[in-house]
Amino acid sequence: QVQLQESGPGLVKPSQTLSLTCTVSGGSISSGGYYWSWIRQHPGKGLEWIGYIYYSGSTYYNPSLKSRPTILVDTSKNQFSLKVNSVTAADTAVYYCARVHIAPDYFDYWGQGTLVTVSS
Amino acid sequence: SSELTQDPAVSVALGQTVRITCQGDSLRGFYASWYQQKPGQAPVLVIYGQNNRPSGIPDRFSGSNSGNTSSLTITGAQAEDEAAYYCNSRGSSREHFMFGGGTKLTVL
Repeated sequence: QVQLQESGPGLVKPSQTLSLTCTVSGGSISSGGYYWSWIRQHPGKGLEWIGYIYYSGSTYYNPSLKSRPTILVDTSKNQFSLKVNSVTAADTAVYYCARVHIAPDYFDYWGQGTLVTVSS
Repeated sequence: SSELTQDPAVSVALGQTVRITCQGDSLRGFYASWYQQKPGQAPVLVIYGQNNRPSGIPDRFSGSNSGNTSSLTITGAQAEDEAAYYCNSRGSSREHFMFGGGTKLTVL
């Protein structure tokens, strides 16, 4: 059974960088056939796809986030990470990591989510 | 359009059938997947591909597709089905994904 777990600071100051890590267990990021993705949910709102990474390092991001996110993968630790620079209060959200099965595409395993609050 | 549109809220009487829809141009080329989210919990995949259910999802959940519309049907809705439901698909650029705005299902 694949499991994902988000970790990182729950409080980030405005203009700083949000950094989260997703640790994958029960399966290898290097196995191929999947994207590894980040999704966020603003309080009381819907889901917003942030981006994904393939084990090779290829990435793609939501164009609406204007190049602020960066997703990296560390196959040796079976982890992938998210950085969002220049955060504002609008980045306050629950952040989820998830595995994406490719063709057909679906998000089959999710982390429990972690709340990140941007505040001074 | 480069978005997926869902009705914000739908209600159904206990034991009746409800259809939740998702509209978007990208659905002409890509299947939608559907997620159930209860308050304070992570989303759970309920339907993917043409009409597939992950292990553990009751068979009262089914999916269908026609043109630019994907539908999630719950046949015989139960109280525990009360939740928000989100569709997801690739966007028209093929590389990115997007979620619909979500439908809050109330079971009366």
